[in-house]
Amino acid sequence: KQEVTQIPAALSVPEGENLVLNCSFTDSAIYNLQWFRQDPGKGLTSLLLIQSSQREQTSGRLNASLDKSSGRSTLYIAASQPGDSATYLCAVLTVPNAGGTSYGKLTFGQGTILTVHP
Amino acid sequence: SQTIHQWPATLVQPVGSPLSLECTVEGTSNPNLYWYRQAAGRGLQLLFYSVGIGQISSEVPQNLSASRPQDRQFILSSKKLLLSDSGFYLCAAARVNTEAFFGQGTRLTVV
Repeated sequence: KQEVTQIPAALSVPEGENLVLNCSFTDSAIYNLQWFRQDPGKGLTSLLLIQSSQREQTSGRLNASLDKSSGRSTLYIAASQPGDSATYLCAVLTVPNAGGTSYGKLTFGQGTILTVHP
Repeated sequence: SQTIHQWPATLVQPVGSPLSLECTVEGTSNPNLYWYRQAAGRGLQLLFYSVGIGQISSEVPQNLSASRPQDRQFILSSKKLLLSDSGFYLCAAARVNTEAFFGQGTRLTVV
């Protein structure tokens, strides 16, 4: 059964700091890993998608890496701003296993609550 | 562009009443579809997912059911709501080589 864990659960930093959010998953048989942002009371916004054959993706101040063999991903945020404050979630899309179960399942971690203060 | 229409945005229902939440997808075909519930301050709990019409996988035994009558339509239902069914319900779509994307959610309060 795929399990996704995110560390830390919460993070508070001053504006301008570079920071790293961590995501680990137990089953490396994945199609892709995706990072999302969620603002309070809102839906999820996709930030970065990394296919299983890729090592990293970049968008602006965001860089996400993937080490599929070790079941880990990191989201790096450069020069953090108060507008980056939100909950960050990672999710993996699972490949069919030998038993044919879990196919197509999109599993989320519990998220990291980020607060960037001025 | 890929879009999920999810309605209503908010809903207040009495205990014991039925529920039907509908999600429709635009801009993609043959997606995997998902229903998640999010309690306040918590992560996303996967309730149901579907890899095709009429194919439903249930993750958690509960008071809810799901159906997929068309390729881009996913419905979450209950015959009798419980207080514990309150939460933020999110519909999502995903394909292997593209980003998963979400609707804006329905905030359900059972009173």
